[in-house]
Amino acid sequence: GDSVTQTEGLVTLTEGLPVMLNCTYQTAYSTFLFWYVQHLNEAPKLLLKSSTDNKRTEHQGFHATLHKSSSSFHLQKSSAQLSDSALYYCALSDSPNTDKVVFGTGTRLQVSP
Amino acid sequence: NAGVIQTPRHKVTGKGQEATLWCEPISGHSAVFWYRQTIVQGLEFLTYFRNQAPIDDSGMPKERFSAQMPNQSHSTLKIQSTQPQDSAVYLCASSLDRGWAEQFFGPGTRLTVL
Repeated sequence: GDSVTQTEGLVTLTEGLPVMLNCTYQTAYSTFLFWYVQHLNEAPKLLLKSSTDNKRTEHQGFHATLHKSSSSFHLQKSSAQLSDSALYYCALSDSPNTDKVVFGTGTRLQVSP
Repeated sequence: NAGVIQTPRHKVTGKGQEATLWCEPISGHSAVFWYRQTIVQGLEFLTYFRNQAPIDDSGMPKERFSAQMPNQSHSTLKIQSTQPQDSAVYLCASSLDRGWAEQFFGPGTRLTVL
């Protein structure tokens, strides 16, 4: 079945340093990838999404590029801010005909001054 | 638009008691999802409905968990004979369309089983 792997459970960074959160996936079908962000005591919300191979998608200073050759959709940002501290989930949908999404286990990003 | 509404926000039950969690999806959204969130497992899919019909309950523990959607404005998740390992945040989400649509999450219900 489909699966999403986020290798880091916790990433700690100093403000101003670049962010990279890893996401790889496995699916035998079509590919639509999402990043959701959940700040403390808030609901998860969509950060960005893509289904186009090798096209960079950007939102709120974050960007990700879907690479089907390596089954990856890493989340990046050039300079971390304190407000980026949150839980980030990578998620996969394998068909336009289903509503179901498979989530990774999440990566907690902690940004310190 | 009030977003997805979940009640109660916090629930404490004793071991063996029943817990019922409520979700009101965004008006007009046709799909409703239930997830369980823990630090160890992250976001676990439980079940979902489309146009009130149950579509996939593959994530539901079969013996004690059940979900219903009696009308388009609310869904319930019922846990019978709650156990300490059921302690988690239960999240409800809804989406508008099929086809890789964004899911909008509610604030969750934190269930604590003593």
